[in-house]
Amino acid sequence: IAGITQAPTSQILAAGRRMTLRCTQDMRHNAMYWYRQDLGLGLRLIHYSNTAGTTGKGEVPDGYSVSRANTDDFPLTLASAVPSQTSVYFCASRLTGKGGYTFGSGTRLTVV
Amino acid sequence: AQSVTQPDIHITVSEGASLELRCNYSYGATPYLFWYVQSPGQGLQLLLKYFSGDTLVQGIKGFEAEFKRSQSSFNLRKPSVHWSDAAEYFCAVVPYNNNDMRFGAGTRLTVKP
Repeated sequence: IAGITQAPTSQILAAGRRMTLRCTQDMRHNAMYWYRQDLGLGLRLIHYSNTAGTTGKGEVPDGYSVSRANTDDFPLTLASAVPSQTSVYFCASRLTGKGGYTFGSGTRLTVV
Repeated sequence: AQSVTQPDIHITVSEGASLELRCNYSYGATPYLFWYVQSPGQGLQLLLKYFSGDTLVQGIKGFEAEFKRSQSSFNLRKPSVHWSDAAEYFCAVVPYNNNDMRFGAGTRLTVKP
């Protein structure tokens, strides 16, 4: 692993189903983030975690939950998927201070 | 309201021509400023960033950006565009005393032969 790994790469999901998007980083970054990217809206922050054991809500948290049991992993869960959650999801991490964010390659999720 | 604005949704330039992509922000204190590039189907790659100091920032791939406090702007420039520069470009800010990065809606760049 080098950087951030997201899984799956893409997924088609039936509405109402539960889904967890995985994100793992090996850079020992303390902060991690989940964004969704939609055409014309750029990237919008869903949830974040400044350090292991803590999480916070971003701009569009409804319908999503996260956990941060350790430094490396930051899974995003959709408890009951809806079509409006069709999007591309990016995980990112950062060593807080003046560093930029490192992004994963994204998960393309389609809810039907 | 706090925001990051990229006024141009889509820009087309000829290969070899100069490029300027606009970015304006509205935050009380000067935030940290970034430009990212995204090729189709890919993640985001950091082009450059500004925290403080010299207001003209050099980045990768021949890009530069200039921070203008009076205009709350952080425009991205390149003197001569290459066909491989065709991509989506995002301006982003990390507000002062905050850890969350907020993005503009993006500008899609098309390069004509």
